[in-house]
Amino acid sequence: ETGVTQTPRHLVMGMTNKKSLKCEQHLGHNAMYWYKQSAKKPLELMFVYSLEERVENNSVPSRFSPECPNSSHLFLHLHTLQPEDSALYLCASSQDAVVPGQGTQYFGPGTRLTVL
Amino acid sequence: KNEVEQSPQNLTAQEGEFITINCSYSVGISALHWLQQHPGGGIVSLFMLSSGKKKHGRLIATINIQEKHSSLHITASHPRDSAVYICAALSDSNYQLIWGAGTKLIIKP
Repeated sequence: ETGVTQTPRHLVMGMTNKKSLKCEQHLGHNAMYWYKQSAKKPLELMFVYSLEERVENNSVPSRFSPECPNSSHLFLHLHTLQPEDSALYLCASSQDAVVPGQGTQYFGPGTRLTVL
Repeated sequence: KNEVEQSPQNLTAQEGEFITINCSYSVGISALHWLQQHPGGGIVSLFMLSSGKKKHGRLIATINIQEKHSSLHITASHPRDSAVYICAALSDSNYQLIWGAGTKLIIKP
């Protein structure tokens, strides 16, 4: 397995469900990212982890909860979501010398989330 | 007004045409990324540049720091180049990536 993988690829959930998205990178990178892509909008950065510590949280609602247990894995725990949270959720990783975002980011295929 | 603007929003061209996609930004940056997103969502990083010009196959990316402008060119375009092309600027003040809205490119055979 190479690159950045994400599971599941598609997820349909009700507003009362709890689910988790998983991202794994096999590139030896030191930074990982969660992005949200809604229809016809630019990518929105949700969370950044550098060396397994959260360094950026762009005012994301608390119903999204990230977890980075080690440098290769990143989770996004979801609970009590709203229909407007339906979007493509993308994970990325990079090898950054000093600050996150300086290195080329490698993206996973994304999880298409639908909240009913 | 977005800090990173792309033009055009949509572009349809015939196979073989030379394609130019533009990206203008209004903030100071330390680097600019060009990425490609195919239908279905997968994103591939094409270039990261902070000055001058980079070339990879039929793709060329240029940046003019003084004019705060970057271009992505595709030579001898092919239907498989059909995708959304996104530029993202790395701010040199807060090191956040600021994303353009993307340019949807369709190459017809």
